[in-house]
Amino acid sequence: DVKVTQSSRYLVKRTGEKVFLECVQDMDHENMFWYRQDPGLGLRLIYFSYDVKMKEKGDIPEGYSVSREKKERFSLILESASTNQTSMYLCASSSPRDGKDTQYFGPGTRLTVL
Amino acid sequence: KQEVTQIPAALSVPEGENLVLNCSFTDSAIYNLQWFRQDPGKGLTSLLLIQSSQREQTSGRLNASLDKSSGRSTLYIAASQPGDSATYLCAVSGSEKLVFGKGTKLTVNP
Repeated sequence: DVKVTQSSRYLVKRTGEKVFLECVQDMDHENMFWYRQDPGLGLRLIYFSYDVKMKEKGDIPEGYSVSREKKERFSLILESASTNQTSMYLCASSSPRDGKDTQYFGPGTRLTVL
Repeated sequence: KQEVTQIPAALSVPEGENLVLNCSFTDSAIYNLQWFRQDPGKGLTSLLLIQSSQREQTSGRLNASLDKSSGRSTLYIAASQPGDSATYLCAVSGSEKLVFGKGTKLTVNP
C-alpha cells in the first residue's frame, strides 16, 4: 500500500514564524503536491514537483515556497506565517508509471496561525 | 480554466437508499476523473478513477460514470449505509494536476 505521511497532524504557530511542513511518500513516486483546503473554497494547489529539485507553482503560491532535495520528501515552507494561512494542508503523490496517475493523499496538517 | 461543480453541496438520506452524486466540469479535454472520499479532519481516499476513454468504473456498491462530451460524471452509491457518511469530492485531470470540486457532504441516517 502507498503511504504518504505528514510530519504533524496539528500545528500552532505565531504570526511571523517560519513554518516547515514535511511530507514523505514510500512508493518512489515522481510527482508530489501540496494543497490547502478551506471551507467554501475546496482544495487549491499551492506547489507541485515532478522530480527532485524541480518545482512548479500551482494556483496559490504566494507566501509559500517548497523544497525537494530527495525523491521521497517534499517540504512546504511558510517564510513568515500569517493568520490567513490558517488552513488544512494536504500533501499528495502520484506516478505516471502506474498507468492511472492516481493521487495518494496524506492525513493532512491542520495549521493554526495566531 | 477548468472549473468543477458538485451538486448538491449536502445530502441527507435514510439508510438503505440508493443515491447519485453529480459532478460537472467545463473543459472536456480531460485525462481522467477521480472520485475521492474525505472523512472529517482527515485526508482524501481515492474511490474510483475513470480514464478519459472509459465510460464507467465500479467498486463494490459504488459505480462512477463519465460523459466527457457533456462534461458530467455521476457517482452512484447503492444501498447506502451510515458508514458512507463523508464528503465526496470529484476531481478532473488535464495533466498531472487535479482540479477539485468543492464536494458533496453526505449523511446517511440509521
